[in-house]
Amino acid sequence: GQNIDQPTEMTATEGAIVQINCTYQTSGFNGLFWYQQHAGEAPTFLSYNVLDGLEEKGRFSSFLSRSKGYSYLLLKELQMKDSASYLCAVARLGGGYNKLIFGAGTRLAVHP
Amino acid sequence: DGGITQSPKYLFRKEGQNVTLSCEQNLNHDAMYWYRQDPGQGLRLIYYSQIVNDFQKGDIAEGYSVSREKKESFPLTVTSAQKNPTAFYLCASSAQTGDTEAFFGQGTRLTVV
Repeated sequence: GQNIDQPTEMTATEGAIVQINCTYQTSGFNGLFWYQQHAGEAPTFLSYNVLDGLEEKGRFSSFLSRSKGYSYLLLKELQMKDSASYLCAVARLGGGYNKLIFGAGTRLAVHP
Repeated sequence: DGGITQSPKYLFRKEGQNVTLSCEQNLNHDAMYWYRQDPGQGLRLIYYSQIVNDFQKGDIAEGYSVSREKKESFPLTVTSAQKNPTAFYLCASSAQTGDTEAFFGQGTRLTVV
């Protein structure tokens, strides 16, 4: 089976840095994605990690440790518009099929 | 423009009626997915398809059915057997290899009264 865990809610201050953690347990690991979702809207892609290490993309960075089943999303220089849910998703390959399974998401509230 | 389109955006149905949600993509993606999202919750996988005329059950397939007769289209039918169908439904597509991101439609909010 698969299990993906993220904190339910986080708060942070505008201009600060926040780290959102994700732990997972799955067979057939084929990569980990982070998505951003504003209320009532579709998720949008932020990052993809399949090898261990840090991927940096502007204000957002994502880290993966496959041996620990652990990832984090780092958001720097927080802006009010970063208030959203952040979804961790694991690609799982099994039986020739690639499933994309999501965690419950972390709701981030950015305050002035 | 390339993208993935879901229609309608809002849908109301009476209890006991079947309803079909449309999902079309012109990204030439092989893989397509249907997810359900309840208020304050994450996305749960209903069905997915890697190729035309083939699809697999996800984690919550009971009460739902799909078809994949064309590469561009992956409609979802919510049947009367689905006990709690009111939810936000999201369709997504991705390249076959799975190491590229999934692109999402804007979603259909289904309300059963």
